[in-house]
Amino acid sequence: EPEVTQTPSHQVTQMGQEVILRCVPISNHLYFYWYRQILGQKVEFLVSFYNNEISEKSEIFDDQFSVERPDGSNFTLKIRSTKLEDSAMYFCASRRTSQYNEQFFGPGTRLTVL
Amino acid sequence: AQKVTQAQTEISVVEKEDVTLDCVYETRDTTYYLFWYKQPPSGELVFLIRRNSFDEQNEISGRYSWNFQKSTSSFNFTITASQVVDSAVYFCALNEGWNQFYFGTGTSLTVIP
Repeated sequence: EPEVTQTPSHQVTQMGQEVILRCVPISNHLYFYWYRQILGQKVEFLVSFYNNEISEKSEIFDDQFSVERPDGSNFTLKIRSTKLEDSAMYFCASRRTSQYNEQFFGPGTRLTVL
Repeated sequence: AQKVTQAQTEISVVEKEDVTLDCVYETRDTTYYLFWYKQPPSGELVFLIRRNSFDEQNEISGRYSWNFQKSTSSFNFTITASQVVDSAVYFCALNEGWNQFYFGTGTSLTVIP
């Protein structure tokens, strides 16, 4: 069964460093998402992406964040200069069409900023 | 205002007891979708169920059942005869259309052997 994959599963970085979190959505899906979950808190929406552009973003998604679909399979989240408060689990999700509302979530990348 | 409220932060039950996790949502849309996810200690989100706003029929899947009531904007989740493996954080989520999910704050369930 097709699934969303994310790499790495755990990333440790120093404050101020750039990180890139990678996701491979399900191959025939057209809508892509990033969510964040700070430890012990709820899952929060960051950004959605369709047709090679951002379709919606939350207040959390500031200038430090960017997303990209560099090729036909990967979907990346870049944090330019990490802060301690960026430590969280980051989930990628994809959806097939606008009419089919189930988003399939990846297993997450746990980001630890030291 | 919270779109999804899970008032129960933590619940502990003894194995084989039944437990109900509450979820109350808020939306002005007539078409929307409700979900439950399980998050075990390993951290991934495990999809449990999706229900659309036009389908109020309750659903049962093994030991799991869901009670959707539009009149009270609730979508409660019951685990019958709980097991230790059910210990996890459970999230209720709302999707109003084609874009983002709104998650509740989660209910941490501990099943004591």
